[in-house]
Amino acid sequence: QQQVKQSPQSLIVQKGGISIINCAYENTAFDYFPWYQQFPGKGPALLIAIRPDVSEKKEGRFTISFNKSAKQFSLHIMDSQPGDSATYFCAARGTNFGNEKLTFGTGTRLTIIP
Amino acid sequence: EAGVAQSPRYKIIEKRQSVAFWCNPISGHATLYWYQQILGQGPKLLIQFQNNGVVDDSQLPKDRFSAERLKGVDSTLKIQPAKLEDSAVYLCASLRERLSGELFFGEGSRLTVL
Repeated sequence: QQQVKQSPQSLIVQKGGISIINCAYENTAFDYFPWYQQFPGKGPALLIAIRPDVSEKKEGRFTISFNKSAKQFSLHIMDSQPGDSATYFCAARGTNFGNEKLTFGTGTRLTIIP
Repeated sequence: EAGVAQSPRYKIIEKRQSVAFWCNPISGHATLYWYQQILGQGPKLLIQFQNNGVVDDSQLPKDRFSAERLKGVDSTLKIQPAKLEDSAVYLCASLRERLSGELFFGEGSRLTVL
């Protein structure tokens, strides 16, 4: 039962371009939406996160856009660099206090080409 | 601060054999998770501990998987007997506090079942 759907599965972007990854969720009982970045052979690491009371959050070249009514959120990477090449996972956390489990999307493999 | 430590990093076994993975979370992190990440997929929660108590093990295949967290610190995940479909990376993560929401992942233990 997949509650977080992520697209595209893979993405190739030219250096300096904008990378956009989309996620949609089904369960309205989520209160926290992070994006994780994973390099080969490493565990996922938090990149940026947003809570549903704001529509956008920006940290450096990374921006999350959040549409609560559509139950969608997206990651934008501006001025994409070869070092951004990695797999990106969106996730959503349930609101049950004491049960802070993250449900992950299926991942997007991003490749930045020179 | 030291990160989440996991061992072994790699393990190859034959089907029906047993295997155990160890995790040492970041000091002071009360919540610990085990995730299973099959190649090309997002991490899937197996079990969540709060201190040494189980919060959520609804997706743990209990006929073959077991996990414990003695004294609320280290944790072990055991698979017995292993099946081919258990081939995956087993990720351990710990949570600093619910407010921040940030999970810290270890580098994972890659299991290959032949």
